[in-house]
Amino acid sequence: DSGVTQTPKHLITATGQRVTLRCSPRSGDLSVYWYQQSLDQGLQFLIQYYNGEERAKGNILERFSAQQFPDLHSELNLSSLELGDSALYFCASSWGQGESPLHFGNGTRLTVT
Amino acid sequence: DQQVKQNSPSLSVQEGRISILNCDYTNSMFDYFLWYKKYPAEGPTFLISISSIKDKNEDGRFTVFLNKSAKHLSLHIVPSQPGDSAVYFCAASEGSGTYKYIFGTGTRLKVLA
Repeated sequence: DSGVTQTPKHLITATGQRVTLRCSPRSGDLSVYWYQQSLDQGLQFLIQYYNGEERAKGNILERFSAQQFPDLHSELNLSSLELGDSALYFCASSWGQGESPLHFGNGTRLTVT
Repeated sequence: DQQVKQNSPSLSVQEGRISILNCDYTNSMFDYFLWYKKYPAEGPTFLISISSIKDKNEDGRFTVFLNKSAKHLSLHIVPSQPGDSAVYFCAASEGSGTYKYIFGTGTRLKVLA
């Protein structure tokens, strides 16, 4: 158990809809990362927050947004969903300073129909 | 532009033998490298990391080698066990400043009993 909790585990929704994925980091970790994995592809970096502030951005679509709250949990909002957004979305956390490994949750599988 | 590449999508090894997984990178600013193991329906699990100031790091059956001049790292697993069968991802980070962790596309390792 990595200590990173992601909810929900599975999400099925229709095109055009909006969903929110939630992540609780490991105790003591200040940084949260979001990654997308589509169909046996690699992990694509979306966005990183550190102690409530956005720190780094990857290939995140404008339809997607995220935030980290004062209690350090994070939410990833996906709107105007398209079929191609179907993927596994992973959250990871780390201490956030210097060289510290990421610890991943078990992901949310999003299916857009 | 794939900054971290794992050119072998799959690898099969006999139980008890050495497994060698390879990873190449293009960004000379990367200074922290990690290996992760992923089982189906789970998030990636951190295995081992190495800083660019070292060329080798060992943890039990796992050893990571870094060749900075070749921009190449490898993970050695000795001896390989059937439970090691999983997808292995390498990742790299620029460390100070961006803290983005870029992942390769993964290598599926199968250890044959």
